[in-house]
Amino acid sequence: QLQLHESGPGLVKPSETLSLTCTVSGASVSSSNYYWDWIRQPPGKGLEWIGNIYYSGRTYYNPSLKSRVTISIDTSKNQFSLKLSFVTAADTAVYYCASRPISSGSGFDIWGQGTRVPVSP
Amino acid sequence: SYELTQPPSVSVSPGQTASITCSGDKLGNKFASWYQQKPGQSPVLVIYRDTRRPSGIPERFSGSNSGNTATLTISGTQTMDEADYYCQAWDSSTGVFGPGTKVTVL
Repeated sequence: QLQLHESGPGLVKPSETLSLTCTVSGASVSSSNYYWDWIRQPPGKGLEWIGNIYYSGRTYYNPSLKSRVTISIDTSKNQFSLKLSFVTAADTAVYYCASRPISSGSGFDIWGQGTRVPVSP
Repeated sequence: SYELTQPPSVSVSPGQTASITCSGDKLGNKFASWYQQKPGQSPVLVIYRDTRRPSGIPERFSGSNSGNTATLTISGTQTMDEADYYCQAWDSSTGVFGPGTKVTVL
């Protein structure tokens, strides 16, 4: 059974880089059957798609975040990661990793439990 | 950029039908997904590819998508269905979520 688990620092300072990792179990990040996505949710607000990566390394990013986002994949650890640079208080959110089957029209079928990341001095 | 709109809230009595709309330009030409999120929990996929239910999602959840509007329908709504619901679609490989609709069962 596919499971995802986010991990990362509990606090990030303004202007620094937020780094999160999603550990995948029950499937391989090298599988051609999935996209691996990052999604966030500011406190009390809605969901925002950040970007995704395919096993080949191909990435797609939200245009509003593209200049600050990097998503990468580590097949040796069966993980994929998110880096968001030059963070501000507006980047305070719960960050989720999610999987999405490659078949057309599929949704984010598996989500991690989410990790809360405050941005504060 | 592509935008999706949803009503902020929908109220429904137990056992009745709740309909949640999601509007976007030519949304019917894209696939819509729907997510249920309860307080403090991760979202759960309830509808994908406009009309399909993942395994384990009750039959009372159904979806449609035509023209500029996708609709999530909850038939025979139960108190456990009280949650926030988000629609989602893809525009040029960019994921877009609607702002969410709070469903209150009372």
